[in-house]
Amino acid sequence: SAVISQKPSRDICQRGTSLTIQCQVDSQVTMMFWYRQQPGQSLTLIATANQGSEATYESGFVIDKFPISRPNLTFSTLTVSNMSPEDSSIYLCSVELGLADSYNEQFFGPGTRLTVL
Amino acid sequence: AQSVTQLDSQVPVFEEAPVELRCNYSSSVSVYLFWYVQYPNQGLQLLLKYLSGSTLVKGINGFEAEFNKSQTSFHLRKPSVHISDTAEYFCAVMKASGTYKYIFGTGTRLKVLA
Repeated sequence: SAVISQKPSRDICQRGTSLTIQCQVDSQVTMMFWYRQQPGQSLTLIATANQGSEATYESGFVIDKFPISRPNLTFSTLTVSNMSPEDSSIYLCSVELGLADSYNEQFFGPGTRLTVL
Repeated sequence: AQSVTQLDSQVPVFEEAPVELRCNYSSSVSVYLFWYVQYPNQGLQLLLKYLSGSTLVKGINGFEAEFNKSQTSFHLRKPSVHISDTAEYFCAVMKASGTYKYIFGTGTRLKVLA
């Protein structure tokens, strides 16, 4: 398994500002993912961050709004830029680990609860 | 494309009673199926998964789920719930082609009452 930590755990921000969320994992992983969980909705994949390459964004998400860094195999950051109240969500990172049954399980961090005023 | 429907947004149940959380999916290709649990202020934890083989899957904390291909369902059950089972439960699917992309349902909040 993997132990994942995120900082901050929660924050309240003013509109127009930016917040950088950190994700740290206790083992080296190739694939890291960032999800958004809006109030009352399911988790939505924002982007995939592989070490050594540009992040791959899902439809509806762009790099200018959600820049991602992946400097090494245990760490990633997601920035929520020029925030608006619609960005109020829980942001989760996850990592993929290959397991014995050939299925690559994903493990999730505790999430960062963001409120934008 | 795949989609997941969890019709029940909230399920209240008394302690020691059985519970079933419903999940239906749609997909034109074979999928893997999952149930995750999210306790307050914590990340998602895998309860169980169906990849292939037996359609009855047993997971952690006494939960089990049955894959029904004809009804495209993967309902989660527990014969006797505890207060500690109060949490949000998410059903998810993934294309069985080795991709990593989950499609999550909107979640069901299980509230166990004393």
